[in-house]
Amino acid sequence: QSALTQPASVSGSPGQSITISCTGTSSDVGGYNYVSWYQQHPGKAPKLMIYDVSKRPSGVSNRFSGSKSGNTASLTISGLQAEDEADYYCSSYTSSSTSVFGGGTKLTVL
Amino acid sequence: QVQLQESGPGLVKPSETLSLTCTVSGYSISSGYYWGWIRQPPGKGLEWIGSIYHSGSTYYNPSLKSRVTISVDTSKNQFSLKLSSVTAADTAVYYCARGYCSSTSCYKGWVQSFDYWGQGTLVTVSS
Repeated sequence: QSALTQPASVSGSPGQSITISCTGTSSDVGGYNYVSWYQQHPGKAPKLMIYDVSKRPSGVSNRFSGSKSGNTASLTISGLQAEDEADYYCSSYTSSSTSVFGGGTKLTVL
Repeated sequence: QVQLQESGPGLVKPSETLSLTCTVSGYSISSGYYWGWIRQPPGKGLEWIGSIYHSGSTYYNPSLKSRVTISVDTSKNQFSLKLSSVTAADTAVYYCARGYCSSTSCYKGWVQSFDYWGQGTLVTVSS
């Protein structure tokens, strides 16, 4: 199975909004509303930020939001803060009964 | 509070079998959900290895399927990973995680997300 496609890096200034894309196929992202997003700080385990395309787990800031159009999902972070600087990964369930992750995006807060 | 903790050797010789165990606390594995293994080579991205349901149903990454076995021991509230014939390419931080699914999704084998993760354990393959 092929990894989902994410940009290698994105950047933004404090207070701005950024969007990270995650492109798959009709067999994964486009076929199911089971896209999730994870935040990973250096040396730490990933943390679930968004599940089922746009739902936020309890305790996750409402500055984080998710959406999907066709085979592409997106994570938007509004009101960027220094603590948001991290790697972000998308993931999706697939028609082969497997899970697949994206290659990851490094977010830099300028 | 659900917590997961990986344990096992940090060094494995090439061609041998990597074995890791994940101990779950704060939730009974037999109550439901899927339980998965994900790895991350140094400086690289996340790779899903496989998931297991509390009943024992398993799903594996096709690229690793011939070498992977995931099992569950509900009496110990643990699940385990075995990866055979390892090479240097298998050097990675290995995470265990809970695979969230709704009642309908669990029945169909659909893992919607991974909501709780262990801290990860580095396994190095080297002679």
